[in-house]
Amino acid sequence: GAVVSQHPSWVICKSGTSVKIECRSLDFQATTMFWYRQFPKQSLMLMATSNEGSKATYEQGVEKDKFLINHASLTLSTLTVTSAHPEDSSFYICSAREASGRIGELFFGEGSRLTVL
Amino acid sequence: GNSVTQMEGPVTLSEEAFLTINCTYTATGYPSLFWYVQYPGEGLQLLLKATKADDKGSNKGFEATYRKETTSFHLEKGSVQVSDSAVYFCALRYGGATNKLIFGTGTLLAVQP
Repeated sequence: GAVVSQHPSWVICKSGTSVKIECRSLDFQATTMFWYRQFPKQSLMLMATSNEGSKATYEQGVEKDKFLINHASLTLSTLTVTSAHPEDSSFYICSAREASGRIGELFFGEGSRLTVL
Repeated sequence: GNSVTQMEGPVTLSEEAFLTINCTYTATGYPSLFWYVQYPGEGLQLLLKATKADDKGSNKGFEATYRKETTSFHLEKGSVQVSDSAVYFCALRYGGATNKLIFGTGTLLAVQP
């Protein structure tokens, strides 16, 4: 199947700093990418939908200025957690839909674990 | 609203045992239903799906039937292997042509030799 790669897989940062997480589709073009957040023993919560070349669509309750999403190319979307605080510590997962992909077929990255001290 | 509820884990089984992981959903309209699997250190992968009532999705020996009357999509396998050890997520898709998915909390399956 298609491969989606996230980087970094884990990151530790100090409170108040910003952290960028990359999501790349390695062998296909992704017109749409999704960013999820997962807390321990909880389900994946959709944060935003990222479309190449346009602004991301955020889910209700997700702070746009806190979680900056950029989808500048068909193979790369980035999530920047700005002025991170300990409550932002979580597991962030991206997924991508191939440009010609069938509905419901998403490819997921391995996830990025963020720990804010 | 739309939601997915799946049984809590971990589920620990011996090799060749029968597996059932329960999943029920609440949704308006007629969602598509999915099971995703996450092996250790890897991203989620689509395991199987069903797009309408009474459809049966199957893959790698796993099966799940879309039961509208009980709003369920239970995952089953007749004989599990150690290599099936992973976290299994039930999910539903809503929103028409979008690919927005709502996930259950995931169920960790540990198969012992």
